[in-house]
Amino acid sequence: AQTVTQSQPEMSVQEAETVTLSCTYDTSESDYYLFWYKQPPSRQMILVIRQEAYKQQNATENRFSVNFQKAAKSFSLKISDSQLGDAAMYFCAQGGGSQGNLIFGKGTKLSVKP
Amino acid sequence: EAGVAQSPRYKIIEKRQSVAFWCNPISGHATLYWYQQILGQGPKLLIQFQNNGVVDDSQLPKDRFSAERLKGVDSTLKIQPAKLEDSAVYLCASSSDLGYGYTFGSGTRLTVV
Repeated sequence: AQTVTQSQPEMSVQEAETVTLSCTYDTSESDYYLFWYKQPPSRQMILVIRQEAYKQQNATENRFSVNFQKAAKSFSLKISDSQLGDAAMYFCAQGGGSQGNLIFGKGTKLSVKP
Repeated sequence: EAGVAQSPRYKIIEKRQSVAFWCNPISGHATLYWYQQILGQGPKLLIQFQNNGVVDDSQLPKDRFSAERLKGVDSTLKIQPAKLEDSAVYLCASSSDLGYGYTFGSGTRLTVV
């Protein structure tokens, strides 16, 4: 069975500093994708960043980057220069494979202190 | 492009009543998903459609939940009768390519009292 584990229920960061959110996963699929989603109180899932498992290069999107360690099945998210608007729930998810549905972790609540 | 539309935004019902949620995916997206997100947890897949056929409904409580996707476009998720533990956010998502691009709606928050 595919699983996604986020071991940090809550994290806090000072504005303008850097924070890293952890995620590990387990899958028997050979071809898959990994995602980080942001969910503000509005409830909409917003894609932060996506990583194709076949790519060795870590994905980056402006202030957001990942550290993808395929052998260790680890997929952490680094947020640089944190902003107040980054405060939200962050979900790690695995998608693709034979059916394509997303498997989510339990989430990490990120607080940003001014 | 327009996003995934969901309605209603909120719904409060008494236990044993019925409720229905509606989802309109992004035009051209063949795959549609319904997720249940209980407070404090990540979303869990209830059912996945490919066009108007069911791909996966293994986690759908079929004694009370039903879903359909007529003509491979809009979808409706129904709960009858509702239980207290059905209180959750119900998210609809659609994708054009399996496993790559998912777009979510804003969800329906259901409270069963």
